[in-house]
Amino acid sequence: GENVEQHPSTLSVQEGDSAVIKCTYSDSASNYFPWYKQELGKRPQLIIDIRSNVGEKKDQRIAVTLNKTAKHFSLHITETQPEDSAVYFCAASSPSGTYKYIFGTGTRLKVLA
Amino acid sequence: EAGVTQFPSHSVIEKGQTVTLRCDPISGHDNLYWYRRVMGKEIKFLLHFVKESKQDESGMPNNRFLAERTGGTYSTLKVQPAELEDSGVYFCASSQRTGNFYEQYFGPGTRLTVT
Repeated sequence: GENVEQHPSTLSVQEGDSAVIKCTYSDSASNYFPWYKQELGKRPQLIIDIRSNVGEKKDQRIAVTLNKTAKHFSLHITETQPEDSAVYFCAASSPSGTYKYIFGTGTRLKVLA
Repeated sequence: EAGVTQFPSHSVIEKGQTVTLRCDPISGHDNLYWYRRVMGKEIKFLLHFVKESKQDESGMPNNRFLAERTGGTYSTLKVQPAELEDSGVYFCASSQRTGNFYEQYFGPGTRLTVT
């Protein structure tokens, strides 16, 4: 069935360094790829998304890249700050799947001050 | 604008009991999704409503789970009878039917513990 693999499961970086989280999806019909950030005890919040007709999107310190051929997409956070510490989820969505999200298993990011 | 709300935030029940979770989507959002995260695993899709109609319930684990959305507004998810493996965090999300219908807004979740 459809699935999304996400790596790494945990990631620790020093404040100011960059963090990269990678995901691979299986459904070639997927055309929308959101990234959610979930802080402890809070709801998942959309931080950035990308559609399949775009290869890269950037919003301040956050960027997402998409390789449709390889079915890979990645989240890049530059100049990390302690408040970036959270669990990050990638997801893939397909019109053939009623736009439901298929999530990765999450990455716990710790930014060390 | 008020976000997606869920009630209760936590529920602890014994195996065999019944629990009903409630989700209030963002006003005007026709799409409503239920997801579940079991400890340490991915957030898994359970089902999708468009207004009051079930569009996709392929993720529902078994017939102990019953979801409703009467009137196309709030939704309930009932688990009866609850089993230990039903423990997890249940999320509800909603999205528009037109425009940017891809973006789903999540509620804070209901943490269900079955003992």
